[in-house]
Amino acid sequence: QVQLVESGGGVVQPGGSLRLSCAASGFTFSSYGMYWVRQAPGKGLEWVAFIRYDGSNKYYADSVKGRFTISRDYSKNTLYLQMNSLRAEDTAVYYCAKERGGMYFDYWGQGTLVTVSS
Amino acid sequence: SYELTQPLSVSVALGQTARITCGGNNIGSKIVHWYQQKPGQAPVLVIYRDSNRPSGIPERFSGSNSGNTATLTISRAQAGDEADYYCQVWDTSTNWVFGGGTKLTVL
Repeated sequence: QVQLVESGGGVVQPGGSLRLSCAASGFTFSSYGMYWVRQAPGKGLEWVAFIRYDGSNKYYADSVKGRFTISRDYSKNTLYLQMNSLRAEDTAVYYCAKERGGMYFDYWGQGTLVTVSS
Repeated sequence: SYELTQPLSVSVALGQTARITCGGNNIGSKIVHWYQQKPGQAPVLVIYRDSNRPSGIPERFSGSNSGNTATLTISRAQAGDEADYYCQVWDTSTNWVFGGGTKLTVL
């Protein structure tokens, strides 16, 4: 069965950096695009970033463009999100999700909490 | 940018039918997906491509999409259906966008 397990969350000061990881199993990782989606406390879902199955294209929400970088390691079946210049408004639970048809998210991880605070 | 509008909350009596709407400009020309999120849990896909149910999702869940409104319908509502529900589309200008979410309460 598909499993997505995020890690790397924690507390970081404004302006700091953090790298999130998402270990994937139960499907052919190299055949599917992958997403990061976040949810601020008490708020709704916000798409953050997408990487194509072959890593050839990456897309970012305007709110994180230039600060966040999505990447993937096929040898480790792992998705990453490098987050730099973090702001208080980046505080959220970050989920990784598997792509289906390039349009929607068919499996989600359990999420990892990132708190940006001094 | 493309926006999706959902009611903040919907209430339904136990065993009755709940309808959760998702409004957007000519949303009927787009493909809509729906997610259920229970407190403290990750979202779960309940409807994809307007009206299709993933395996394991009860037949009580159905979807439709036309004009400026997409609708998630939950028949014979159960206490276990209480959750937040989000609609989502892909748009050429906004990429992947979610509605603000609707809290379903089963009375």
